[in-house]
Amino acid sequence: QQQVKQSPQSLIVQKGGISIINCAYENTAFDYFPWYQQFPGKGPALLIAIRPDVSEKKEGRFTISFNKSAKQFSLHIMDSQPGDSATYFCAATKAAGNKLTFGGGTRVLVKP
Amino acid sequence: DTGVSQDPRHKITKRGQNVTFRCDPISEHNRLYWYRQTLGQGPEFLTYFQNEAQLEKSRLLSDRFSAERPKGSFSTLEIQRTEQGDSAMYLCASSLYRGLDNQPQHFGDGTRLSIL
Repeated sequence: QQQVKQSPQSLIVQKGGISIINCAYENTAFDYFPWYQQFPGKGPALLIAIRPDVSEKKEGRFTISFNKSAKQFSLHIMDSQPGDSATYFCAATKAAGNKLTFGGGTRVLVKP
Repeated sequence: DTGVSQDPRHKITKRGQNVTFRCDPISEHNRLYWYRQTLGQGPEFLTYFQNEAQLEKSRLLSDRFSAERPKGSFSTLEIQRTEQGDSAMYLCASSLYRGLDNQPQHFGDGTRLSIL
């Protein structure tokens, strides 16, 4: 059972553009939603995370938008740079210390 | 903060052999997790420990898999009688659990297992 669905599977964006990745979840018990960035041969690195009591969180060029009623959340990468080219995973869990359920990932390619 | 360390980074073995991986978490972290990631997919949860206690195991963790964290510090994941389907990246993560005030999980760079 895929509890976190992520789209698109891949996207190409020009340098300076906006990358948008969407996730939807099923389990209403989830209350912590992190995003991870993964480069080839490396482990996932925490990028930004949000709890459902806020609708938006911004850290630098990365913004999470959260819609609790729709059970959806998204990552926006503003002013995308070639160094942002990586695979991005959304995840969900019941509180930050418990097991993570990951989406299928989105490969982002930023063209110079 | 030296990060989560995993060893070896790569392991190639023949089908039917046993393999063991090691994970050293961030030193003050009391929770340690194992995930498995196949090519093009997101990581899937296998098991986790709080200190030395194994608190949860996924149904993905067949009886050929065993994990330990004997002293509440490093952990080992052993796969017995390896099969082709075991080929994957095995990721370890750790976090600091303090009741309500939880911290996020930090991952190591994984051990890539290839079964010949």
